[in-house]
Amino acid sequence: EVQLVESGGRLVQPGESLRLSCVVSGFTFSTHNMKWVRQAPGKGLEWVSFLNSRTGTVYYADSVKGRFTISRDNAKNALFLQMNSLRNDDTGVYYCATDSGDYWGQGTLVTVSS
Amino acid sequence: QSLLTQPPSASGTPGQRVTISCSGSSSNIGTNTVDWYQHLPGTAPKLLIYSNNQRPSGVPDRFSGSKSGTSASLAISGLQSEDEADYYCATWDDSPNGPNYVFGTGTKVTVL
Repeated sequence: EVQLVESGGRLVQPGESLRLSCVVSGFTFSTHNMKWVRQAPGKGLEWVSFLNSRTGTVYYADSVKGRFTISRDNAKNALFLQMNSLRNDDTGVYYCATDSGDYWGQGTLVTVSS
Repeated sequence: QSLLTQPPSASGTPGQRVTISCSGSSSNIGTNTVDWYQHLPGTAPKLLIYSNNQRPSGVPDRFSGSKSGTSASLAISGLQSEDEADYYCATWDDSPNGPNYVFGTGTKVTVL
């Protein structure tokens, strides 16, 4: 059974940092490109970042470029999102997923508020 | 502000056909293939269509996708109550700042 389990979301203040994790099982993680997608309260889906499994190439949405860093540890079947200089508008549910869109986690809630 | 525009809502009675449009530009839909997702808030999004018109295993053939020029569409035939959800188109945009995967504005489908 394929599983993607995100963790690390919590309430933080503006300007603080947070690291999200996504541990996967049930498929060969090392061969899959991965992405993070978020949904702010009452808003639509927003792509955040992409990581190519073979080349290590990364892409970021303009809204997070320079503040967020995507990475992976194939030995641990884990994907990460380091989020720095968090802002109120970073609040939302963060999903990890395969880039193909076949597999998604259930999401972890990040709340940025003073 | 999304680069892909969808109608905010669509509706139909059970058994009817509903079509959702997705309008983009030459840098996104005009160049790249389109995916469609079904999403119930609080749950994981589900891939319905990839590469414009391909259905993943397990997706009913009631769902179909098409693309023409800089627009795409999703059709749901034989509408069922469980189809009530938000639907998003998505594709890569070849931005000067680097590739971005963009979602459409989303369409809420209501089964009357």
